[in-house]
Amino acid sequence: AQSVTQLDSQVPVFEEAPVELRCNYSSSVSVYLFWYVQYPNQGLQLLLKYLSGSTLVKGINGFEAEFNKSQTSFHLRKPSVHISDTAEYFCAVGGSSGSARQLTFGSGTQLTVLP
Amino acid sequence: NAGVMQNPRHLVRRRGQEARLRCSPMKGHSHVYWYRQLPEEGLKFMVYLQKENIIDESGMPKERFSAEFPKEGPSILRIQQVVRGDSAAYFCASSNGLSYEQYFGPGTRLTVT
Repeated sequence: AQSVTQLDSQVPVFEEAPVELRCNYSSSVSVYLFWYVQYPNQGLQLLLKYLSGSTLVKGINGFEAEFNKSQTSFHLRKPSVHISDTAEYFCAVGGSSGSARQLTFGSGTQLTVLP
Repeated sequence: NAGVMQNPRHLVRRRGQEARLRCSPMKGHSHVYWYRQLPEEGLKFMVYLQKENIIDESGMPKERFSAEFPKEGPSILRIQQVVRGDSAAYFCASSNGLSYEQYFGPGTRLTVT
C-alpha cells in the first residue's frame, strides 16, 4: 500500500520569498513521484516528476523538488514566488506493482502568495 | 487541442437521476484513469481502464458506479441513482501505458440537488 502525507494544508508566503511545500510518502515498492498544481476550478497540471536518475528534479515555472529516499520525502521548492503561484499543490506517488498504476495523492497544500 | 477532454464541465442532477461523464484521452493514449475529488480533499483513485478492459476498479464504490472504455469513443463513468454525497469533481487522466505520467482533464463538477 502507498500513502502520501502533505504536512502543511496552508502555506502563506510573501511575494518574492522562497517557499518549500513538504511531502512524505510510504511505499513498499519502487516509487515514482509527482507534483501537480491545481488552479481554482481547473484540472491538475503536472509540475515535475521523479522517475529515476538525479534526485534533484526541475520542473515548470521555476519549481524544483528533491527525492530523498532515506527520509522518504519529495519536498517542492521555489526560490522566489509570484502572485500567480497561488494555487493548490498536490504531491502524488505511483508504484510498480503489477497492474497498480494509479496515483495516490496527498490532501494538498494551498499556497497563497501575498503582495 | 490534443489534451485530455472531459464533458460536460458542469453537471447538475437531482437525487435518483443518472449521471454520465465522458472522457476522451490525449491523442496516442490508450490508458484512462478516473479520480474523484471531494470538497477540501485530494484526489482518490476510482478505476483504471484500457480499451475494452477494466484493469483495476479497486477504488470504485460497489454499487451504482460503473465505467467503460469502448473500442471506439470516449470513456464513460456512469453513476446511477445519484445521491448528494456523489457531489464532487470527477477527473479523468490518461497515459500511454509505458510511463507512469498521467495527464489530467479539466474535470466534471457534479452537483446533486
